[in-house]
Amino acid sequence: EDQVTQSPEALRLQEGESSSLNCSYTVSGLRGLFWYRQDPGKGPEFLFTLYSAGEEKEKERLKATLTKKESFLHITAPKPEDSATYLCAVQSSGSARQLTFGSGTQLTVLP
Amino acid sequence: NAGVTQTPKFRVLKTGQSMTLLCAQDMNHEYMYWYRQDPGMGLRLIHYSVGEGTTAKGEVPDGYNVSRLKKQNFLLGLESAAPSQTSVYFCASTKPGHSIEAFFGQGTRLTVV
Repeated sequence: EDQVTQSPEALRLQEGESSSLNCSYTVSGLRGLFWYRQDPGKGPEFLFTLYSAGEEKEKERLKATLTKKESFLHITAPKPEDSATYLCAVQSSGSARQLTFGSGTQLTVLP
Repeated sequence: NAGVTQTPKFRVLKTGQSMTLLCAQDMNHEYMYWYRQDPGMGLRLIHYSVGEGTTAKGEVPDGYNVSRLKKQNFLLGLESAAPSQTSVYFCASTKPGHSIEAFFGQGTRLTVV
């Protein structure tokens, strides 16, 4: 059974204070690891897909990395508009492309 | 391009009532999914479809039924609503391929009283 655990559950940062979110996973054959952003009252919005250990992807102030057991979402010099819940999900090789999600990290960036 | 559209956005049901949630996508995607999101539990898969006329059970299918009569639509039905089905429901779609990202609708907030 695929499992995804995200930590911390909630994170409060001052504007400009860099930090990292963690996503630990167990999966029977990783097809892909996904990061999504979710704003209150909205659906998840795709950020990144990582396919293999050692892979990194960047988008503005966000950088996602992947090892064989976990992924990190690094946030550099965050701004208040980065406040959201960040969701991690895995897709296993035996699945019909459905995702197994973690419970998310709620990020608040204070001005 | 609307993407994935869910209707309704909000609904309050009484225990025992039935309803259907509609998901429509205009991206010609083959795969469609229904998830529910509850506080502290993340999104959990209810049912999914890999093409028109096909459906399959996900992680939490009990109490729900689905139909995919047209490629662009995926319906989620609750035959006899229960308070435990109070949740936010999200529809998603993907096209076939290696690890293609899923596109999500805006969600339906359902309260069963």
